[in-house]
Amino acid sequence: DIVMTQSPDSLAVSLGERATINCKSSQSVLYSSNHKNYLAWYQQKPGQPPKLLIYWASTRESGVPDRFSGSGSGTDFTLTISSLQAEDVTVYYCQQYYSTPYTFGQGTKLEIK
Amino acid sequence: QVQLQQSGPGLVKPSQTLSLTCAISGDSVSSNSATWNWIRQSPSRGLEWLGRTYYRSKWYNDYAVSVRSRITFNPDTSKNQFSLQLNSVTLEDTAVYYCTRVSEGRGWFDPWGQGTLVTVSS
Repeated sequence: DIVMTQSPDSLAVSLGERATINCKSSQSVLYSSNHKNYLAWYQQKPGQPPKLLIYWASTRESGVPDRFSGSGSGTDFTLTISSLQAEDVTVYYCQQYYSTPYTFGQGTKLEIK
Repeated sequence: QVQLQQSGPGLVKPSQTLSLTCAISGDSVSSNSATWNWIRQSPSRGLEWLGRTYYRSKWYNDYAVSVRSRITFNPDTSKNQFSLQLNSVTLEDTAVYYCTRVSEGRGWFDPWGQGTLVTVSS
């Protein structure tokens, strides 16, 4: 199984500042034939299912604000929120879909400093 | 717009069977371009993929190793839904259970059902 490890577990950022969440996979999720990274990011608010933010490591889902961006390749990935808004304060997960079983990171809780 | 609506009991006794159903609107359980998945979430295990059911000229089921001996997925084409049965539950099966879709050629989960908190308790 591919193990996904996020860092940090929690992060305190001031409103309007940049937030950066990291995700590392235990093996590469870059598929060589199409040069795509099989990595997604989700946002989860209390009492709700995860919401898709980013797929193919850097493609923003329709309707997701452009302050959210994804980057990275191979085994190391980053979710960046360029200017933190109050509604962004919640938990974020990465997920690999390179191979089954699909696996998630343990989550990063974003808080206001 | 695809929507998934979950139903099923929120309380199950130890050693009994957990049963949940996910009704699909806006897509078909027998679609050749989707897989229908179950995921659960608990503080101890995080987000855990339980497996998927899908139709590609015939029905296939893939189950996570952790539950393979106890789990069954059943698609119901007449009602356009799919179900989860988890046998011999223990306290460790207490979790929020989600149904969700993966579209062909992709791998991310979207959309999700609303989630069902299932508590295993006597």
